[in-house]
Amino acid sequence: NAGVMQNPRHLVRRRGQEARLRCSPMKGHSHVYWYRQLPEEGLKFMVYLQKENIIDESGMPKERFSAEFPKEGPSILRIQQVVRGDSAAYFCASSPQMRYEQYFGPGTRLTVT
Amino acid sequence: KQEVTQIPAALSVPEGENLVLNCSFTDSAIYNLQWFRQDPGKGLTSLLLIQSSQREQTSGRLNASLDKSSGRSTLYIAASQPGDSATYLCAVYETSGSRLTFGEGTQLTVNP
Repeated sequence: NAGVMQNPRHLVRRRGQEARLRCSPMKGHSHVYWYRQLPEEGLKFMVYLQKENIIDESGMPKERFSAEFPKEGPSILRIQQVVRGDSAAYFCASSPQMRYEQYFGPGTRLTVT
Repeated sequence: KQEVTQIPAALSVPEGENLVLNCSFTDSAIYNLQWFRQDPGKGLTSLLLIQSSQREQTSGRLNASLDKSSGRSTLYIAASQPGDSATYLCAVYETSGSRLTFGEGTQLTVNP
């Protein structure tokens, strides 16, 4: 049973470009969570999604950031017009139900130049 | 607002020592608590999950305890090995929320 998969593992974008981060949850998991780890800081919650629904996006910046989890395919975290402050590691986690144990992917390390 | 604190921030011990990592949280209304391990540049590996109704969980050389009323958890590592060197993260899942709230972590170094 493959774990949570994220791609790309490393992403370099210039300021003003768009970044698209993908997350495929574990088989049988329909709940996906995105977290961000800024340099020298702890992990912070961004958004919680179930298939086709955003349940809680209270941790996501109001502008430039969006997330989706379509009926088919991976969950996508999209960052428009990236700035240097967006450079961080972005982790995706999945669980079979809400409040169950969360399993994390390897992360996508975004560098904005 | 839930806050999670981990003490110490860093710890260096010789191989073979037993050690304790501490985690405290401000709001005792939690559903469960997870301990994770994070290696440099890598993702998180779940070590132990304690439900709010449980007092402790064990896995191999690891033992985690939970005292919900006092807002504390400890992770006990027996007979530490150099391969245990990593950052250990504590996270709580609140009953009212839909996310894990993480501490800043304890960076552990086990010297051969």
